[in-house]
Amino acid sequence: ILNVEQSPQSLHVQEGDSTNFTCSFPSSNFYALHWYRWETAKSPEALFVMTLNGDEKKKGRISATLNTKEGYSYLYIKGSQPEDSATYLCAPPGGSEKLVFGKGTKLTVNP
Amino acid sequence: NAGVTQTPKFRILKIGQSMTLQCTQDMNHNYMYWYRQDPGMGLKLIYYSVGAGITDKGEVPNGYNVSRSTTEDFPLRLELAAPSQTSVYFCASSLRRGYEQYFGPGTRLTVT
Repeated sequence: ILNVEQSPQSLHVQEGDSTNFTCSFPSSNFYALHWYRWETAKSPEALFVMTLNGDEKKKGRISATLNTKEGYSYLYIKGSQPEDSATYLCAPPGGSEKLVFGKGTKLTVNP
Repeated sequence: NAGVTQTPKFRILKIGQSMTLQCTQDMNHNYMYWYRQDPGMGLKLIYYSVGAGITDKGEVPNGYNVSRSTTEDFPLRLELAAPSQTSVYFCASSLRRGYEQYFGPGTRLTVT
């Protein structure tokens, strides 16, 4: 079973704070790294799909970077808002045709 | 587009009963997946399919079966339900390998 580590497990920040999380994964057989945002009582929604070493992607206040050689990805949120409260999942390849999801980082943004 | 739809939304089963969780997507995606969400454990892959007629096991396939007779549908069958199968089940689809996955709304199943 592929070992995907996400840290921290949970995070509480104040509105306006910037924050970042880490996803670590084995770098062999890599083809894509996904980030998903999962709000309570909803379904996961894709944020980014990253494929190339050195990739940087941005969507509004959220951005992500990828290092496939050392097996990690960072997700950054600038100026956190209460609506950013969610669990953020990363998913590297778990085989040639499927992903393996990490346990996620649960972010709570206090107003 | 409705995206990925799942039925039922909720179900309570008695131990030993069987049921089928339905999943349909209207995006003409080749890949479809079944996950279960257990508290503190994230999403675990049960089965997946890379196209009609092709299915394969994920991390936790025991106690489940799937079929993929059409591109649109990917039902998950539970035979002889056990309390350990109490979970929230998500179906997802993607156009092809490595593309973003679109998730259905989930089915909350309780086995008592």
